[in-house]
Amino acid sequence: EVQLVESGGGLVQPGGSLRLSCAASGFTFSSYWMSWVRQAPGKGLEWVANIKQDGSEKYYVDSVKGRFTISRDNAKNSLYLQMNSLRVEDTAVYYCARHRLGPYEGADYWGQGTLVTVSS
Amino acid sequence: NFMLTQPHSVSESPGKTVTISCTGSSGSIASNYVQWYQQRPGSAPTTVIYEDNQRPSGVPDRFSGSIDSSSNSASLTISGLKTEDEADYYCQSYDSSKWVFGGGTKLTVL
Repeated sequence: EVQLVESGGGLVQPGGSLRLSCAASGFTFSSYWMSWVRQAPGKGLEWVANIKQDGSEKYYVDSVKGRFTISRDNAKNSLYLQMNSLRVEDTAVYYCARHRLGPYEGADYWGQGTLVTVSS
Repeated sequence: NFMLTQPHSVSESPGKTVTISCTGSSGSIASNYVQWYQQRPGSAPTTVIYEDNQRPSGVPDRFSGSIDSSSNSASLTISGLKTEDEADYYCQSYDSSKWVFGGGTKLTVL
């Protein structure tokens, strides 16, 4: 059974940092593109970043470029999102998602999400 | 930047059919696959349609997807509506190595 379990969310002050993790199981993690998607309270889904199977390609939404870094450790079946210089508008539930096939495909599995709250 | 536009909300009665549209802002929506996700309150999204019109296993055939190139739009149609279909629905496609989501449509079944 495919499982994606996020962790690392919490309350952080503006300007602070947080590292999210996504533990994958039930499939060959190293064979799939992965993405982070977030959802601000009461708002819609927003794609944040994605990463190729071997980590050689990474893409970001403009609003997080230079502040967030996506990475993966295929030996640990884990996906990460390092978030620096956090802003109030980064407050959201962050989901990790597996691409069905390549970068052009959508998600076939989602984690349950982890809440990040940026507030003073 | 490529954008997808959905109606904010739709409502229909149980047993009826409803269609949710998703219109591309530029280019051809048919150039990349469109996916549809269902999100019930307090839950993560789940895929109901992938690759424009394919259903994942476990999704009932009451759910169908289509593309209309003439209007540059994708549609999600749900027939035989059930109260359990009440949820937010998001379309999603792809542009320049990035996922693009529509703003979401709240489906009310009443």
